[in-house]
Amino acid sequence: EAQVTQNPRYLITVTGKKLTVTCSQNMNHEYMSWYRQDPGLGLRQIYYSMNVEVTDKGDVPEGYKVSRKEKRNFPLILESPSPNQTSLYFCASSLKVPGLAATDTQYFGPGTRLTVL
Amino acid sequence: AQTVTQSQPEMSVQEAETVTLSCTYDTSENNYYLFWYKQPPSRQMILVIRQEAYKQQNATENRFSVNFQKAAKSFSLKISDSQLGDTAMYFCASTYNFGNEKLTFGTGTRLTIIP
Repeated sequence: EAQVTQNPRYLITVTGKKLTVTCSQNMNHEYMSWYRQDPGLGLRQIYYSMNVEVTDKGDVPEGYKVSRKEKRNFPLILESPSPNQTSLYFCASSLKVPGLAATDTQYFGPGTRLTVL
Repeated sequence: AQTVTQSQPEMSVQEAETVTLSCTYDTSENNYYLFWYKQPPSRQMILVIRQEAYKQQNATENRFSVNFQKAAKSFSLKISDSQLGDTAMYFCASTYNFGNEKLTFGTGTRLTIIP
């Protein structure tokens, strides 16, 4: 089954304790992205990756890091989480190949509910 | 920069009726794409329908259709014969084909289907 998976689905942690949220897709997609969802704000992009070893900032990158060492994986790293990073996080991927005209649809993972105390 | 506005925070409709969710957007791009995503209580983001801006014909997917008014920058979603399973948060989103395919989302409309 084609899918995007995220782990963990729920996480409660404390301020300053480093954590990683994993994201994996089995569709051989080049493009991957992280969003956070907050009430009244919709979803906002944190980071994105066009391909392996190619990553860049989205709209709200402060306090986050990412890496793309393999095509299928795109982990989100919070080096020193703070309460304002309490949110619902989504990973997404699509078959965007640079240089092609068509924009493929982004498929989302199930979400990770993070609470930072 | 793109912006997406959903002016209806909440809506409700009787089962089997038709409902229309509104969305307006602003962009200076010529080549862009519009989407409606559904987020049920499970919080999964599910694609409902997409529309390419260069296509004049409105997209349809079974009971879901859009009214795409390019000049007015309007992209409404019509749900016909609404079902209880349509109860969800609906997000309108846009992206343009230039490097980062960031989706710009509206703030959502919470739709409740009443039995």
